[in-house]
Amino acid sequence: EAGVAQSPRYKIIEKRQSVAFWCNPISGHATLYWYQQILGQGPKLLIQFQNNGVVDDSQLPKDRFSAERLKGVDSTLKIQPAKLEDSAVYLCASSFRGQSTDTQYFGPGTRLTVL
Amino acid sequence: DAKTTQPTSMDCAEGRAANLPCNHSTISGNEYVYWYRQIHSQGPQYIIHGLKNNETNEMASLIITEDRKSSTLILPHATLRDTAVYYCIVPGTYKYIFGTGTRLKVLA
Repeated sequence: EAGVAQSPRYKIIEKRQSVAFWCNPISGHATLYWYQQILGQGPKLLIQFQNNGVVDDSQLPKDRFSAERLKGVDSTLKIQPAKLEDSAVYLCASSFRGQSTDTQYFGPGTRLTVL
Repeated sequence: DAKTTQPTSMDCAEGRAANLPCNHSTISGNEYVYWYRQIHSQGPQYIIHGLKNNETNEMASLIITEDRKSSTLILPHATLRDTAVYYCIVPGTYKYIFGTGTRLKVLA
């Protein structure tokens, strides 16, 4: 079974530029998550989708971050404009139904460096 | 959501058992305990989870105390490849809240 796929693996941009990350979850998983992991910290949930609807985006900085999951499969996370403090690893995860008893499976992440 | 407390770091000799503790004193009756690990430059990897009974799989064993206020992840024969940050998580309604985890270093 293929795991969660993410691209690109690495991205370097200058502040005020825009960037987009892509995630393809495990086949059949209805729930998709985006996390931000700053160096030395644990991952922090940014947004959770159930199929193509948003369940929780309370931690998403909506003035600059946006995410979509069209057709309930792949998802993109965008930052526009980027700030220095956005330098982090962006992780995508998926689970079968999104319930607390469901295991989340993580992709390899995209490491973003903002100069 | 139940909060978890873990030691910041631990060392373990290669070939020995690594015992990683986690305190989750505010856990409620129907909340599971999950363990993940994150090897450098990779995404978190699922290890094991349990509710009240002890669990074992090919990677590790999970021992949960009878009052469910703490648990221990056991790697029975640690190898250098087990060097990683280990996270203990008690999901609330649906959300994983990661702390800073335990940085396990396996020594040759």
